Amino acid sequence: DGGITQSPKYLFRKEGQNVTLSCEQNLNHDAMYWYRQDPGQGLRLIYYSQIVNDFQKGDIAEGYSVSREKKESFPLTVTSAQKNPTAFYLCASSISPGNYGYTFGSGTRLTVV
Amino acid sequence: QKEVEQNSGPLSVPEGAIASLNCTYSDRVSQSFFWYRQYSGKSPELIMSIYSNGDKEDGRFTAQLNKASQYVSLLIRDSQPSDSATYLCAISKVGTGGGNKLTFGTGTQLKVEL
Repeated sequence: DGGITQSPKYLFRKEGQNVTLSCEQNLNHDAMYWYRQDPGQGLRLIYYSQIVNDFQKGDIAEGYSVSREKKESFPLTVTSAQKNPTAFYLCASSISPGNYGYTFGSGTRLTVV
Repeated sequence: QKEVEQNSGPLSVPEGAIASLNCTYSDRVSQSFFWYRQYSGKSPELIMSIYSNGDKEDGRFTAQLNKASQYVSLLIRDSQPSDSATYLCAISKVGTGGGNKLTFGTGTQLKVEL
């Protein structure tokens, strides 16, 4: 079945450590997105990519980095520069171009310990 | 002013009643509108999309769009306890390069009571 796979489901990060969240899709979607969800703040866009080897910053990109070397994969690295990384991270993909809804992965819950 | 505004709730309705969820948006060039359902601890699931003024029905769900008033709503008929979740409103417009970005509201929590 087609879908988006995020791993790991739970991740614990120590202070000053970089961690990478995986996102893989087999929907043949061109566009992929990373959102962060905090209680009471909804979903906020971190980075998005409309095509391989190209990506743009979203509203809260500071302290994060991404790569898009393959159509199927869009990993997110949470760097030590991100001072408040504890959150629920959601990866999504969509058909592009055009106005289509997103399909979301199951999410990664990141906690700083 | 937030781009997408929703009442956070909780909105409580008895089982079998109609639940009405509302969303307003500020950008008049918004082109597409979506409703997502999110259960606690889970990821959002797309349940309705609407692109033109009027009503769109899918089973127990009806989405209503009024672009002049910048207002979109979701009606859930015959509400069931399994409908208890947070409902996210999202708007989209095609940006440069043809891609779209969704902007989400903070969501309305719905509780369907027995």
